[in-house]
Amino acid sequence: AQSVTQLGSHVSVSEGALVLLRCNYSSSVPPYLFWYVQYPNQGLQLLLKYTSAATLVKGINDFEAEFKKSETSFHLTKPSAHMSDAAEYFCAVRRTSGSARQLTFGSGTQLTVLP
Amino acid sequence: DAGVIQSPRHEVTEMGQEVTLRCKPISGHDYLFWYRQTMMRGLELLIYFNNNVPIDDSGMPEDRFSAKMPNASFSTLKIQPSEPRDSAVYFCASSSDRGTLNTEAFFGQGTRLTVV
Repeated sequence: AQSVTQLGSHVSVSEGALVLLRCNYSSSVPPYLFWYVQYPNQGLQLLLKYTSAATLVKGINDFEAEFKKSETSFHLTKPSAHMSDAAEYFCAVRRTSGSARQLTFGSGTQLTVLP
Repeated sequence: DAGVIQSPRHEVTEMGQEVTLRCKPISGHDYLFWYRQTMMRGLELLIYFNNNVPIDDSGMPEDRFSAKMPNASFSTLKIQPSEPRDSAVYFCASSSDRGTLNTEAFFGQGTRLTVV
């Protein structure tokens, strides 16, 4: 079974500081990985996705993530946090075994940006 | 395309009543997913369809929950009878396989269900 673990349910950073949100995956084969963001009272919006074409993936709003097979990680980073980045972030893995196509989500990380 | 459209956005109902949530996926998408989000359990996949056929309903909590997809542009999630513990935000999402597995799911705005 495919799964993802997000380390830290709450992360606080100061405005302008580096954002680092951690995600580790469990998979017997190379998975497909995604980061989604959820703003209050909104649905989930895709930030970026790992397509196996490049290990460093760039997404919207200057977010990026690096796929590291040796560490089974797909951490999300942003060089400089903005107040508008405050939201909940979800890492997700898409199953590749059999005919299953659903996304399995991590438990989420709530990002707070301090002025 | 207007994206995934869910209705209603908010629903308040009394325990024991039937609740029907509706979803219109993005045109051309062949996968449709129903998720439930709560503080305690996070995002849970309830059921998903491929080409209108239910593929995996192992996440449906009990027989009180049922989902249908009568055509490619419409799906419903029904709870009968509803209970207070069903209170949650229910999301519908759709995606297109396009021959690859790395296509993301597009989410609707969700339906916030409150059962009193």
